[in-house]
Amino acid sequence: ETGVTQSPTHLIKTRGQQVTLRCSSQSGHNTVSWYQQALGQGPQFIFQYYREEENGRGNFPPRFSGLQFPNYSSELNVNALELDDSALYLCASSYKTGGLETQYFGPGTRLLVL
Amino acid sequence: SQQGEEDPQALSIQEGENATMNCSYKTSINNLQWYRQNSGRGLVHLILIRSNEREKHSGRLRVTLDTSKKSSSLLITASRAADTASYFCATGGVAGANSKLTFGKGITLSVRP
Repeated sequence: ETGVTQSPTHLIKTRGQQVTLRCSSQSGHNTVSWYQQALGQGPQFIFQYYREEENGRGNFPPRFSGLQFPNYSSELNVNALELDDSALYLCASSYKTGGLETQYFGPGTRLLVL
Repeated sequence: SQQGEEDPQALSIQEGENATMNCSYKTSINNLQWYRQNSGRGLVHLILIRSNEREKHSGRLRVTLDTSKKSSSLLITASRAADTASYFCATGGVAGANSKLTFGKGITLSVRP
């Protein structure tokens, strides 16, 4: 157990819809990162939030957006869903101090877009 | 884009044997980490090795890092059926900045009882 939870576990949406995925970080962690993992691939970095501000973004379009809240929770929002958005979405929390940080992953949300 | 390339893509061994997995990467790194993933679920952090370290141990795990060859290996000794999982290497960026992890495609390890 990493102390990081995600909801929902599974989700089915249709193309064009919008989805919100939620993550609850470990208490005290000031950083949350989101990753997309397509079937048979490694996780791909979407973006990171540090103290409620976006702190880096991967190669994902603006329809992927996020929020981080003071209560250690965060959201990943995806608008105008496409079939290729079907994947496992992972959040990871960490404590950024300026040194090395270990990211603790949640169990993921599996999204299927039909 | 993937930073690391793991080798082999799949490995099947007998319980009790050692498993060696390799990872190569392309750019300079601050650290390299290995993760395990069971059945497409969350990733479990196994071990982190800094760019100025050459070898690190944790229980049955031994990780080596050769920055001149841009490669790392993960050795699991005396494997168990419970070690069956996918293993990923991930490279970390500059400490304190955007600390994103860049993962390889992973290695599927099957340990036969």
